[in-house]
Amino acid sequence: NAGVTQTPKFQVLKTGQSMTLQCAQDMNHEYMSWYRQDPGMGLRLIHYSVGAGITDQGEVPNGYNVSRSTTEDFPLRLLSAAPSQTSVYFCASSRWTPEGAPLHFGNGTRLTVT
Amino acid sequence: EDKVVQSPLSLVVHEGDTVTLNCSYEVTNFRSLLWYKQEKKAPTFLFMLTSSGIEKKSGRLSSILDKKELFSILNITATQTGDSAIYLCAVLNYGGSQGNLIFGKGTKLSVKP
Repeated sequence: NAGVTQTPKFQVLKTGQSMTLQCAQDMNHEYMSWYRQDPGMGLRLIHYSVGAGITDQGEVPNGYNVSRSTTEDFPLRLLSAAPSQTSVYFCASSRWTPEGAPLHFGNGTRLTVT
Repeated sequence: EDKVVQSPLSLVVHEGDTVTLNCSYEVTNFRSLLWYKQEKKAPTFLFMLTSSGIEKKSGRLSSILDKKELFSILNITATQTGDSAIYLCAVLNYGGSQGNLIFGKGTKLSVKP
């Protein structure tokens, strides 16, 4: 049972480069999201999706794009990397219930932009 | 603006001590409060609280929610070095079409032998 799988685990980019962080879940969860975690800032929501074809912005969406073509996959695209995007990125998913359900997190991608 | 505030931000104790971690929140359309433990990698789920005054327990960990005073506490008794981690509090609201988790900055707990 893989849960939430993120790739790559580590990545170094130069300023201006683009890349895609991959996220896949095998739990048939409707809800998927991307967070970034910076020292002293906690986890901040970038984008989220409540189902295939539906995405929305979170607290810090600028510089990132997402799409959700299938239930399983939710890639995060950095269009033109900036040093301010150096962070640890977590993908998370959950099922939907009226009272909410715990998020299941991937193991994270550590991104450095030089 | 919705916010979740955890205190203290860091804490150093010795094995066997009991600790209490605090989480207060100001969130519109509250749905539930969750606690996570984060060691080196992904946060792992501990508790989800939706009703006031009902304690949730798992081994040496317990948590309770006060929806009137807008806070929750996480207690760890007889701490062990394996309890060293960042403990995250998050509140789920009804915003948007699903609601989203708003995280506090975490409490870093260090347990010394």
